[in-house]
Amino acid sequence: EVQLVESGGGLVKPGSSLKLSCVASGFTFSSYGMHWIRQAPKKGLEWIALIYYDSSNKYYADSVKGRFTISRDNSKNTLYLEMNSLRSEDTAMYYCAKSDGGYDYWGQGVMVTVSS
Amino acid sequence: DVVMTQTPVSLSVSLGGQVSISCRSSQSLVHNNGNTYLSWYLQKPGQSPQLLIYKVSNRFSGISDRFSGSGSGTDFTLKISRVEPDDLGVYYCGQGTQYPRTFGGGTKLELK
Repeated sequence: EVQLVESGGGLVKPGSSLKLSCVASGFTFSSYGMHWIRQAPKKGLEWIALIYYDSSNKYYADSVKGRFTISRDNSKNTLYLEMNSLRSEDTAMYYCAKSDGGYDYWGQGVMVTVSS
Repeated sequence: DVVMTQTPVSLSVSLGGQVSISCRSSQSLVHNNGNTYLSWYLQKPGQSPQLLIYKVSNRFSGISDRFSGSGSGTDFTLKISRVEPDDLGVYYCGQGTQYPRTFGGGTKLELK
């Protein structure tokens, strides 16, 4: 059974940093691209980053480019999202998702709240 | 960026009825490799989104044949037949052809 479990969220002040993790199981993690997708409260879905299966390519939404960094450790089956210079508009549920034609599996999400 | 426009924003349906949701993209979603990366997702209340349809018309594993996707280029449709209570929630289309990846604004399916 495919499982994606995010962690690392919380309440932080504007300008702070946070690092999210997503531990994968039930599939060959090193063979698939992985994404981070977020959803602000009561809002729609916003794709924010993709990393190829071998970390050879990374893509970002303009809203996070230069502040967020996606990375992965295939030996630990873990995806990361390092978030710096956090803003109130980054407040959202953050999901990791596996890539295969579409986003075929999603984690349960982790909440990040940026507030003073 | 590719803008994904979903209509309607909300939809009321009777159990057992049929509905259609439209998704239009501002640019063609045909990839250089010939595939069209248009997917549909359902987010039930309090849950993560789940994949229903990928590459326009392919049902994901375990998805009922009551769900069907169609379309090409910039114009796509999700049809749900014989609506059941478990189908209620917000439906999103998403494109995986161009960067940045984008989603439609969502269509909320409610009971009439």
